[in-house]
Amino acid sequence: SQKIEQNSEALNIQEGKTATLTCNYTNYSPAYLQWYRQDPGRGPVFLLLIRENEKEKRKERLKVTFDTTLKQSLFHITASQPADSATYLCALKYTGTASKLTFGTGTRLQVTL
Amino acid sequence: DTEVTQTPKHLVMGMTNKKSLKCEQHMGHRAMYWYKQKAKKPPELMFVYSYEKLSINESVPSRFSPECPNSSLLNLHLHALQPEDSALYLCASSQPTNRTDYGYTFGSGTRLTVV
Repeated sequence: SQKIEQNSEALNIQEGKTATLTCNYTNYSPAYLQWYRQDPGRGPVFLLLIRENEKEKRKERLKVTFDTTLKQSLFHITASQPADSATYLCALKYTGTASKLTFGTGTRLQVTL
Repeated sequence: DTEVTQTPKHLVMGMTNKKSLKCEQHMGHRAMYWYKQKAKKPPELMFVYSYEKLSINESVPSRFSPECPNSSLLNLHLHALQPEDSALYLCASSQPTNRTDYGYTFGSGTRLTVV
């Protein structure tokens, strides 16, 4: 079965630095990969989607990369702010698994002053 | 309207009760989902509805019964639950196609406690 691991359960960084979160998967490549933000007691909020034939996507201070050789996605938040503190989840949809989005283990990001 | 509304926000029920969770969206999405999330764990898929038809059931126990009355509504009927079913139940919707750069829209969830 597919395993999706975000190798840092928690990440603490200083305000203004770049936070880099990692998502690793096993087996075959997904059709696309998404990143979500989740605050305590709330549902996940969609941030970015990147497809298997794309290398990089950007949105404001966010950047996602996708390396199908390494079976890895990196999620970067530049100029991080305390308001960026949350749990970040990667999620994969594999080709042939209609409408089945599977979430990674999540990384809890804490940005301090 | 770009949100998914879930009711109730909190629910406490006994093991012999019957209750229902409700979810509504008006974004014209034709795929709707139920996820279950335990504390400090990622959401786990339970059911997928596509064009109002059940397309995926992730081997969920029959004490959970989904229903999709129309394209805007999704229900989850609960009966004879166990304490280990206590969790945050999340509803989500999306367009049922890969040809979009938009992800899922999640509701805020129903915090369920089974006593």
